[in-house]
Amino acid sequence: QTVVTQEPSFSVSPGGTVTLTCGLSSGSVSTSYYPSWYQQTPGQAPRTLIYSTNTRSSGVPDRFSGSILGNKAALTITGAQADDESDYYCVLYMGGGISMFGGGTKLTVL
Amino acid sequence: EVQLAESGGGLVQPGGSLRLSCAASGFTFDSYWMSWVRQAPGKGLEWVANIKQDGSEKYYVDSVKGRFTISRDNAKNSLFLQMNSLRAEDRAVYYCARVIRSGYSTYYFDYWGQGTLVTVSS
Repeated sequence: QTVVTQEPSFSVSPGGTVTLTCGLSSGSVSTSYYPSWYQQTPGQAPRTLIYSTNTRSSGVPDRFSGSILGNKAALTITGAQADDESDYYCVLYMGGGISMFGGGTKLTVL
Repeated sequence: EVQLAESGGGLVQPGGSLRLSCAASGFTFDSYWMSWVRQAPGKGLEWVANIKQDGSEKYYVDSVKGRFTISRDNAKNSLFLQMNSLRAEDRAVYYCARVIRSGYSTYYFDYWGQGTLVTVSS
């Protein structure tokens, strides 16, 4: 069974740059999976950051960007801020009405 | 303003049933696919089910097939999740989410409710 993979945790210094990735246990992620990214802080609903690989959702700062890097989707945060400390989830559309979340990455800013 | 408000969560015994509702406002409800997404305590997000605008297509994660049923009432701008044969592992916060699905060009969740907690325990 296919699994969507993400780094369990990552840390970045304030002002630094970090790239989180979203892969498949078998195969490569392409734009055809319409990768999207969501930010969630404890006790809150998710917030949509990026969709269709690299399109920022309304109101999302431009320090967040999405791309395909090699065989994975990627979320890059440039100039990380303290309030970027959150959990980040990717979603891949698998076709046939089915979507799958990655396991999430806990980002620490310190 | 788009708003999604879930309700219906609570404590239920294993094997029991529960029906979740999601009241939608601020947009043309019958123009959008809708989804349920859940999050077990301390765990990640999991897509549960999708339903097409007119209810003619429904999709489920394997773990809930045959037990959960997604439905909608477009006249009442409401989304539902009927959950039967509940198990301990179904314990989670359940979110409804609006889906942007446009042919072969995009698929994502753009608005989320605040969630409703389902606890399955004896």
